[in-house]
Amino acid sequence: DIVLTQSPGTLSLSPGERATLSCRASQSVSRSYLAWYQQKPGQAPRLLIYGASSRATGIPDRFSGSGSGTDFTLTISRLEPEDFAVYYCHHYGSSSAMHTFGQGTKLEIK
Amino acid sequence: ELLLVESGGGLVQPGGSLRLSCVASGFPFNSYTMNWVRQAPGKGLEWLSYITSSSSTLYYADSVKGRFTISRDNAKNSLYLQMYSLRVEDTAVYYCARDRTRHFDLWGQGTLVTVSS
Repeated sequence: DIVLTQSPGTLSLSPGERATLSCRASQSVSRSYLAWYQQKPGQAPRLLIYGASSRATGIPDRFSGSGSGTDFTLTISRLEPEDFAVYYCHHYGSSSAMHTFGQGTKLEIK
Repeated sequence: ELLLVESGGGLVQPGGSLRLSCVASGFPFNSYTMNWVRQAPGKGLEWLSYITSSSSTLYYADSVKGRFTISRDNAKNSLYLQMYSLRVEDTAVYYCARDRTRHFDLWGQGTLVTVSS
């Protein structure tokens, strides 16, 4: 089974700074099935990025995704106060027909 | 407005059963694969199960296989999760989520299931 490992566990930054979040897969995965979500306390997750680099509807262009193979990155170019949340990467394995989430990265205000 | 609304959560004793429901509105429910995802208190997201639009294909995570059953009623725009033999570790918020080419683009607000004696 594919394991997604996110780093760092917690990232402390200030508004206006750039955030770089990492998601590493235990084996090479299809970028077509790699997604990122944002979750704020008490809320459901919200889709940010799908297909590794495509922004979901209504997502600001300060959010971008990149990567391939085993290494994927979510970048927030200039942090806004509303961006402080937990971020999850997600993969669907077409051979196993199973979905996997990373353990999450908490982005907190410094 | 696109909406998923879960219900059916509550307090249940270990070994008990519960049936969760998710009602969809604002989109053609019968065209989409649907999923259940849960989140234990203070923990991350765990995918549980999916069902294709016609119910022809079902998949389960190993953690719930044999104990949980996913189903849907397209005439009622509804998704279900029947949970049996519940354990303390099944305590979580349970979300239904719409599947859009294997990513989840629409989520419900969640329903809390607490398994405790």
